[in-house]
Amino acid sequence: GENVEQHPSTLSVQEGDSAVIKCTYSDSASNYFPWYKQELGKGSQLIIDIRSNVGEKKDQRIAVTLNKTAKHFSLHITETQPEDSAVYFCARLKAAGNKLTFGGGTRVLVKP
Amino acid sequence: EAGVAQSPRYKIIEKRQSVAFWCNPISGHATLYWYQQILGQGPKLLIQFQNNGVVDDSQLPKDRFSAERLKGVDSTLKIQPAKLEDSAVYLCASSLSRGANTEAFFGQGTRLTVV
Repeated sequence: GENVEQHPSTLSVQEGDSAVIKCTYSDSASNYFPWYKQELGKGSQLIIDIRSNVGEKKDQRIAVTLNKTAKHFSLHITETQPEDSAVYFCARLKAAGNKLTFGGGTRVLVKP
Repeated sequence: EAGVAQSPRYKIIEKRQSVAFWCNPISGHATLYWYQQILGQGPKLLIQFQNNGVVDDSQLPKDRFSAERLKGVDSTLKIQPAKLEDSAVYLCASSLSRGANTEAFFGQGTRLTVV
């Protein structure tokens, strides 16, 4: 199928701790995996992405890992801050036709 | 560079009424997506255009939803007649879709409430 499963649906962490969100997919034709942050009044913003020829990518406190064999990819946020509180969505792009499918979202709450 | 523009931002209508949403993608972006995001869920693809042709509309409820992208630029999504379960945020996104340029940029969305 083309569904993307995302877990957990909610995540509460203490400020300074790490947050990890995991997504799994079943379509082996997927080659691009973006992560979006959705905040009220700000729309959806791309925060990091990874392509299928790379296993890991890092951007300051945010990293994404991809396991093509197991068909899962994860978002890691280190040293969380209150402004990281938002809903995060993973997605995968199917190369043929550029179809972009989203996971169900994870609501992250960072407690000060 | 201007982003993806959507209007209106909010719309409240009664069930069985009609409504239309408008999207202006980023200039030069070939791919345009319309998503429906129900509260607490991830965006669900309704229809995808490549230039002015439909690539995927398998999840579009065609008995009441329609969309067009004339001249391969702006797009409109229409619901006629609306049902209570159509209450959601309707997101438009666009992508250059050329080579490695596959990032999708999203508009702010239109929040529809059907009463």
